[in-house]
Amino acid sequence: NAGVMQNPRHLVRRRGQEARLRCSPMKGHSHVYWYRQLPEEGLKFMVYLQKENIIDESGMPKERFSAEFPKEGPSILRIQQVVRGDSAAYFCASSAGTAETQYFGPGTRLLVL
Amino acid sequence: QQQVKQSPQSLIVQKGGISIINCAYENTAFDYFPWYQQFPGKGPALLIAIRPDVSEKKEGRFTISFNKSAKQFSLHIMDSQPGDSATYFCAASKGSARQLTFGSGTQLTVLP
Repeated sequence: NAGVMQNPRHLVRRRGQEARLRCSPMKGHSHVYWYRQLPEEGLKFMVYLQKENIIDESGMPKERFSAEFPKEGPSILRIQQVVRGDSAAYFCASSAGTAETQYFGPGTRLLVL
Repeated sequence: QQQVKQSPQSLIVQKGGISIINCAYENTAFDYFPWYQQFPGKGPALLIAIRPDVSEKKEGRFTISFNKSAKQFSLHIMDSQPGDSATYFCAASKGSARQLTFGSGTQLTVLP
C-alpha cells in the first residue's frame, strides 16, 4: 500500500510565477491536509479538504493561495505570483476519517528566487 | 499565539541514555496529542499518540507522559540509539476538525 505521494519533490520558481503542488493520498483516504514548514520551524496548518470540498481553510493566506481536491485526481495546492517568503517545505497528509491518524507525504521543497 | 510550546530546542544524549522532550499546551479543548519523528528531507512520521483519558502510554522504547491538570505532556525515549537522531515534534488537535497544531520541534542527537 503506497504511502502519501507528493510531487514535485523540489520546485524552483522565480518571483511572480505560479507554483502547483500535488498530493495523492493513501489508498482509501478521502481526507487531505496541507501544512507549511518554514526553515527551523514546526509545521503550520493551512487547509483541510475532503473530496470536492474545502472543510477548513483557516490557515491559508487570504491571497494568492488556493487548494482543491477534485473527485478524480490528486489534491492541488496552488500559489500564484510567488514571493520569496513562500519558500518553504509544503507537506500533505491524509487520513481515512476525521478521527484517524494523519500520514504525511515526503513534502515539496519550494524555492523562490 | 503559539498554542503548543516545545522544549528543548536541541538535545544531545549519549547512546543508551534517556531522551526527554517536553510540551505544554494552552487550549483545554485539545483531546489528541501525537508525537512525530522527522528525518532530514522526509515527512513527519507518527511515533506515538495519547488521549487525555490516560496519563501514560508506552510503545517499545517510547513513552508519552500526560499531565492534564498542568496541560503538559512529554516524550521519553529509553535506551536512546544513534538511529533515533532526528527532529521530534509534539502536536495537538481537537474535536473532529483534526488540524494538527505543532510544537516548534526538538533536534535530537544521540552520540555513539
